Amino acid sequence: GENVEQHPSTLSVQEGDSAVIKCTYSDSASNYFPWYKQELGKRPQLIIDIRSNVGEKKDQRIAVTLNKTAKHFSLHITETQPEDSAVYFCAAGSSSGTYKYIFGTGTRLKVLA
Amino acid sequence: DTGVSQNPRHKITKRGQNVTFRCDPISEHNRLYWYRQTLGQGPEFLTYFQNEAQLEKSRLLSDRFSAERPKGSFSTLEIQRTEQGDSAMYLCASSLLAVSSGYTFGSGTRLTVV
Repeated sequence: GENVEQHPSTLSVQEGDSAVIKCTYSDSASNYFPWYKQELGKRPQLIIDIRSNVGEKKDQRIAVTLNKTAKHFSLHITETQPEDSAVYFCAAGSSSGTYKYIFGTGTRLKVLA
Repeated sequence: DTGVSQNPRHKITKRGQNVTFRCDPISEHNRLYWYRQTLGQGPEFLTYFQNEAQLEKSRLLSDRFSAERPKGSFSTLEIQRTEQGDSAMYLCASSLLAVSSGYTFGSGTRLTVV
């Protein structure tokens, strides 16, 4: 069935260092890959997304890369700050059918000051 | 319209009782989704509406669960005969028709079954 694997489950970095979170998807029909940030007790919020016709996308300190052949995509956060501490979820969606997303299990990022 | 609104924010109920949650999506969004999130896990898809039509239901959605979106605007999710395993955060999300329109999530309803 459809599945998205996400690693690592927890990640601690020093302030100013980079953080990388990796996801792998199984459904070949997936063509849209959003990333969500969820702070404790709050709703998931979309921070960046990428479509299958693009290999990389960047927005200030955040970038996402996609390798369709290998079916994996990654989130890169540079110059991390304490306010980046949260749980990050990757997801995979398809333009065929219902456009539902399959989410990964999340990565708890801690940025140490 | 300030986003996706969910009510109530918290619900504590006794096992066996019925509960109903409401979601008001962003007004121009045609698509509405219900997800369930348990501690330490990502959101799991429950069901999807396009306008008033319920187009997909997850196998996770047992016959005790029912969802409606009667006029293509707000939606309700009802759980009958609640069980302790139903305890979770129930998230509603909405989006425009284009697949590359990311979801906007509501703040969720946290259900605790005691």
